[in-house]
Amino acid sequence: GAVVSQHPSRVICKSGTSVKIECRSLDFQATTMFWYRQFPKQSLMLMATSNEGSKATYEQGVEKDKFLINHASLTLSTLTVTSAHPEDSSFYICSARGLAGTDTQYFGPGTRLTVL
Amino acid sequence: QKEVEQDPGPLSVPEGAIVSLNCTYSNSAFQYFMWYRQYSRKGPELLMYTYSSGNKEDGRFTAQVDKSSKYISLFIRDSQPSDSATYLCARRNRGAQKLVFGQGTRLTINP
Repeated sequence: GAVVSQHPSRVICKSGTSVKIECRSLDFQATTMFWYRQFPKQSLMLMATSNEGSKATYEQGVEKDKFLINHASLTLSTLTVTSAHPEDSSFYICSARGLAGTDTQYFGPGTRLTVL
Repeated sequence: QKEVEQDPGPLSVPEGAIVSLNCTYSNSAFQYFMWYRQYSRKGPELLMYTYSSGNKEDGRFTAQVDKSSKYISLFIRDSQPSDSATYLCARRNRGAQKLVFGQGTRLTINP
């Protein structure tokens, strides 16, 4: 149980285009989903926290207009990188937390974004 | 000062050795501690979860928390090549959702 999937697993795009990444909780309902970014040989840095049906809360230094997050249902959150630039190339990982009473975050397999 | 400090390694040990991975933290708030394992190009996988001082054991893994020293450790007994991965410590304040990760230690177990 507690499986989180991400799609796509890898994406290459041209500079200036937008990319959408999906995060799904497959066998549980996730009231809260988190989006992280991980650069090579570095740790995970939280970008934003999203609760189903409400606006995402962004960490300091993360541009909310550039990284659009939608959490429309209890099993799906999307991250859209708008007007991507080469410096946005990174490993994007989502995690999902279950209904109240469960503290554990379950991580997806990650999406590797390369912006040319 | 980073909230969670972790030696990035790399750490290389022979198969069967006992591995000790460590983190220090600076925040004194009541909090939870976790160890995650991350294989290359994969998402982190939760290994251990604890909130109190002392030891917690699960198979070959033992998590240790020393709140007086603000020090957390993960021990791996009888290490296997399949344990080769990056190990991330993380903490979360009580009542909060945000996880704060250490930098991760890259571990290699040599056959």
